[in-house]
Amino acid sequence: EDKVVQSPLSLVVHEGDTVTLNCSYEVTNFRSLLWYKQEKKAPTFLFMLTSSGIEKKSGRLSSILDKKELFSILNITATQTGDSAVYLCAVELQGGSEKLVFGKGMKLTVNP
Amino acid sequence: GAGVSQSPSNKVTEKGKDVELRCDPISGHTALYWYRQSLGQGLEFLIYFQGNSAPDKSGLPSDRFSAERTGGSVSTLTIQRTQQEDSAVYLCASSLVRARPDGYTFGSGTRLTVV
Repeated sequence: EDKVVQSPLSLVVHEGDTVTLNCSYEVTNFRSLLWYKQEKKAPTFLFMLTSSGIEKKSGRLSSILDKKELFSILNITATQTGDSAVYLCAVELQGGSEKLVFGKGMKLTVNP
Repeated sequence: GAGVSQSPSNKVTEKGKDVELRCDPISGHTALYWYRQSLGQGLEFLIYFQGNSAPDKSGLPSDRFSAERTGGSVSTLTIQRTQQEDSAVYLCASSLVRARPDGYTFGSGTRLTVV
């Protein structure tokens, strides 16, 4: 069974801290790994990773994929209260299926 | 419209009743997806539409669940004889290009509560 596991499931930090979110996966036909940020209800796209070792960056957020060890990390530096959200990791499967397999999500709370 | 619109935003229904959830995708987006997010769980794939056809409906949990899409636009997810375990947030997403998840735009979802 295709599986995506995120850790930790929740984290509370202070503004200015750096956080690392982990995502490991076990799937039959990997195509890509995606990170989403979910505030309230609608997830918003952060990163799509297809190749190992290539870091993607967007402002204070960055992410990298390790296809040998089957995991990805999402880093957030100098956290702000606006970073408080649920962060979702998902794997896109190859081979005709159009679906994403999601982890349970990691709830990040950034306190002032 | 500017984004993916879902209605209603909240729905409370009695066990055994039928419900219809609606999704208006972004104009011109040919791919449309339904996901379900139960409390404490990740998003769970339900069904994928390309145009009006559904090449992958493998995630529909039972024959009480059905979905259709008309005119390559609006989609309706119908749950018959609702059960308490159907309580969840139902999210719709659309995409301009088939099989490009980075191009998904999610709606704000419908929170369904079955009492």
